[in-house]
Formats: sequence, C-alpha cells, structure tokens
Amino acid sequence: DAMVIQNPRYQVTQFGKPVTLSCSQTLNHNVMYWYQQKSSQAPKLLFHYYDKDFNNEADTPDNFQSRRPNTSFCFLDIRSPGLGDAAMYLCATSRRDGGGTDTQYFGPGTRLTVL
Amino acid sequence: GNSVTQMEGPVTLSEEAFLTINCTYTATGYPSLFWYVQYPGEGLQLLLKATKADDKGSNKGFEATYRKETTSFHLEKGSVQVSDSAVYFCAPHRGKLQFGAGTQVVVTP
Repeated sequence: DAMVIQNPRYQVTQFGKPVTLSCSQTLNHNVMYWYQQKSSQAPKLLFHYYDKDFNNEADTPDNFQSRRPNTSFCFLDIRSPGLGDAAMYLCATSRRDGGGTDTQYFGPGTRLTVL
Repeated sequence: GNSVTQMEGPVTLSEEAFLTINCTYTATGYPSLFWYVQYPGEGLQLLLKATKADDKGSNKGFEATYRKETTSFHLEKGSVQVSDSAVYFCAPHRGKLQFGAGTQVVVTP
C-alpha cells in the first residue's frame, strides 16, 4: 500500500543532543511537510518542501532544520533539543499540480521525548 | 487572516448516539474544507473533504456539508461506535491547512 512512513515511532534524546527524524513516502508526492504537535493541541506547520524548494514558516525556530535528498525522503533535524521541543512530529505529503487544493496525507508520527 | 472555531470537547456520548461537531471558519474567498481524525497515539487520517459550496463530503458514516452562507462545515454521524473515539480536527485550506483546536469524542458502550 502506498503510504507515509515515519521512523522511529518513539525517539528519546538528551537535552542539547542533536536528533534526526525521518519520513519516507511511496505516494510519489511532490510536497512534504513537517508539523509539530504538542499534547492536546492542533498540529503546527514547521516547514515544507515543494519539490526541492524549501518553505519555512515565519515562526519556526532556527533550531529546526530539514533536508530532502530525494522525492521519497525528508528529514527533520533538531540541532539542540530543549525540553520544550518534546512533542509528536508529524510528516505529511501531498501532490500539488498547480490547480485546486492538494490533499495532505499524514504519517503515524514520531513522539520525541527530551530528557 | 483565516481562523477556525470548533466546539469544545470532550464530547461524551453512548454507542449508537447521534454525533455533531460544529465547525465554523472565517476566511477570504472559498477555502477547501477538511476533517481529519486522530486516534490515540496516531497521526492524522483524512476523514472527508469538500472543495466548493454545497459539496457534501462523506466517509465511514460521517458527513459534512460546505455551507458558504454560514461559513460552516459541521461533522455528523448518525450512529457512533466505540471505535469512533478520537480527536477530530476541522481544517480549512487556503494555501495551507489551518487546524481548529480539535474536539475529543468519547463513545461509551
């Protein structure tokens, strides 16, 4: 089945220790998104890639970076995690073809714990 | 800018009861409208969508109609099951998804 895959599902890191979360997709979608979702809150968009073009949200901290080496994979790098970065991180993908609204499909998420 | 208001939860109801979750939005133009569902510990799943006025989205017994005149997209299900217990997010899309705060639904046997 075509899908969005996130690994690992659970990640524990230490305060200040860089961590990378990964997302892959078999949908051949040209847009990939990263969201942060804290407990009992709505997801918050951090950034997205439209093909190779990186689009950062204005209020995303510099501590968060992303890489997209190819169509299928996208990574979220947190350079120096703080306690406030503990959250569920959701990857989503969509196909944007220039007309209409692209529908986003989400992965299962990675829950990050910062000790 | 855009904003979306969902009814507050938790909404607790018994199995086979009728469910309504209200959602209203403010927006310029006519955004596409989405409902996503999030089961405990999981990511979001697309539940249904509508892209223009008077469209009705439906899936798994859930329905929502795009009401331009009232800027609403209320979610309904005629007979809920315990497995419908989840958090439901209303999300207009205009350039990007604008999620509501989410409504937790708890269905008891």
